[in-house]
Amino acid sequence: QVTLRESGPALVKPTQTLTLTCTFSGFSLSTSGMCVSWIRQPPGKALEWLALIDWDDDKYYSTSLKTRLTISKDTSKNQVVLTMTNMDPVDTATYYCARYLSSRASYFDYWGQGTLVTVSS
Amino acid sequence: EIVLTQSPGTLSLSPGERATLSCRASQSVSSSYLAWYQQKPGQAPRLLIYGASSRATGIPDRFSGSGSGTDFTLTISRLEPEDFAVYYCQQYGSSEWTFGQGTKVEIK
Repeated sequence: QVTLRESGPALVKPTQTLTLTCTFSGFSLSTSGMCVSWIRQPPGKALEWLALIDWDDDKYYSTSLKTRLTISKDTSKNQVVLTMTNMDPVDTATYYCARYLSSRASYFDYWGQGTLVTVSS
Repeated sequence: EIVLTQSPGTLSLSPGERATLSCRASQSVSSSYLAWYQQKPGQAPRLLIYGASSRATGIPDRFSGSGSGTDFTLTISRLEPEDFAVYYCQQYGSSEWTFGQGTKVEIK
């Protein structure tokens, strides 16, 4: 049974760095084709892809946010960490982590419940 | 970056009616990398369709996907009460993933 769970601060101040952790079970990020991604959703708005890390430790970032994002993994702990620097109120959103299968057909098949991060002083 | 434009923004229909949702890409997308998700209020998105036309595990056959190139469609043949939600298309291309802005299917 695949599960993912996001954890991190609910409130951050402007200019601070956000660190989110995705803890997952039911699969290994060292298995070929396995990836974990971060996606966010501002209140009442659409989904926005942020970053992805794959089984081979290759990392991919949203072009518009790449200077602020870092994704990393700890395979032994089944965790993926996302850091986002210089937080701004417009970064207020629910942040999701999701498993991505990279194969002949690729998709986000399992999602965490999401964690709401509010950026405010 | 490939931009996905979904239409209409909102679809007002009655249970039992057919829903047709469109997703248009700014450049050609491989069908293998086009997926659809359903999201209900307060919930995470749920995978419905992958590879443009394959239903995910447990998805009822009233949901179907079609299309290729730059034009893709999600069809719900007969709306059930639990189908009223927001639907997103998503693609992968050139090492970047993008989502459409969503179509809300609401009860008329």
